[in-house]
Formats: sequence, C-alpha cells, structure tokens
Amino acid sequence: NAGVTQTPKFRVLKTGQSMTLLCAQDMNHEYMYWYRQDPGMGLRLIHYSVGEGTTAKGEVPDGYNVSRLKKQNFLLGLESAAPSQTSVYFCASSYSIIEQFFGPGTRLTVL
Amino acid sequence: EDKVVQSPLSLVVHEGDTVTLNCSYEVTNFRSLLWYKQEKKAPTFLFMLTSSGIEKKSGRLSSILDKKELFSILNITATQTGDSAVYLCAVESYNTDKLIFGTGTRLQVFP
Repeated sequence: NAGVTQTPKFRVLKTGQSMTLLCAQDMNHEYMYWYRQDPGMGLRLIHYSVGEGTTAKGEVPDGYNVSRLKKQNFLLGLESAAPSQTSVYFCASSYSIIEQFFGPGTRLTVL
Repeated sequence: EDKVVQSPLSLVVHEGDTVTLNCSYEVTNFRSLLWYKQEKKAPTFLFMLTSSGIEKKSGRLSSILDKKELFSILNITATQTGDSAVYLCAVESYNTDKLIFGTGTRLQVFP
C-alpha cells in the first residue's frame, strides 16, 4: 500500500499562474482533507471531503477550489496564485475524522 | 471560536531529559484530543484521548487529558535525538467532520 501520495512534491509558480495539486489514497478512506502549514501557524484546514462527490470549506478556503470526483483522489486547485499562498500543503485521509493519515507534503512557492 | 493552544512553542533539551508539552483547548462539544508527531515531513498519529484522567502510554511517551480544566499534556521521558520533531495537538468536536490543530511545539534534543 502506498498510503497517501501527493503530486508534485515541489513547485514554483509566478503570481497569477494556476495549478492543481493531486492527492491520492489507496486505503478506501471516506474522509480527505487539504491543509496548509506555515511557520508558527500550525496546520490550517483549507477544504475537506466526507465522501466521493462532496466537498466543504475549512478554515482558510479563499483562493482555493477542490474536487472529489473519485473516492481515492482529492484535487486542490489554485486558480490565480498569490505570494500569500506560499506554503507547505498536506493532504490527509481517514476512515473517520480521527487518526488522519498524512501525505508527504507539497512545498509551493509563489513568486 | 474554537481554538487549541500549545506551549511552549519551542523547547531545547539534552538527551536523557524529561519534557512536558502542553495543549489547552476551547471547543464546543468536545469529543477527543489527538497528539501527532511531525518530523521532517508528514505528521504521524501518536495518541487519542477521550476520557479524563486516563493515561495513554507508548514506550517513553505518555499523555493524559483533563476535561475539567480543558488541557492535555504529553510527557517524554529519557529523551533521545530521535524525539526531535514538532508535536501537534488536535481536537475533535461532535457534529463536525474536522480537527482543529494547535500551532505545535518544536522539540530539539541534543546529544
């Protein structure tokens, strides 16, 4: 089992560019989450999904969109990247809310 | 607004020392508190606590929850350099599908 994987691992964007981060899990989890982690800020929830075809906003959703077309995949999109979105992005999945399994992270820099 | 506060933000100790990390919370409809360890990449699950006064233990790590005073502590005895990490506390509430994370405590253990 690969667990939770994230693509890409690193990315540098220019302001205004768009991109999509892919999260995949092979554990048949219903719940999937996207977090961002900034120095001194801990993990902040961007969007989450409680099942295929569902999404919901988290704590910091502005500037991001998500889709969960397949149970195993959860996509995070940035339509027009801004320097404030420079961060490390983590995806997580779980059977229930607790004991979330995290991916290795994507380090995004927006210039 | 629900919040989770961890202290100290940072801790530097020598191998063999014992450390105590604190997590206090203010959430409505508290259900459980979780501890995660984050080394270089993804956070990994350590403990889940739901009942007050019952210690969870795993090797040199132990944790206890006080639901009356709304806090938890994570103890690490006989610290080793491999314990160096960021320790994250998260809280789950009933009727929500997400965790609220604290900012973490960065522990550095030197030989």
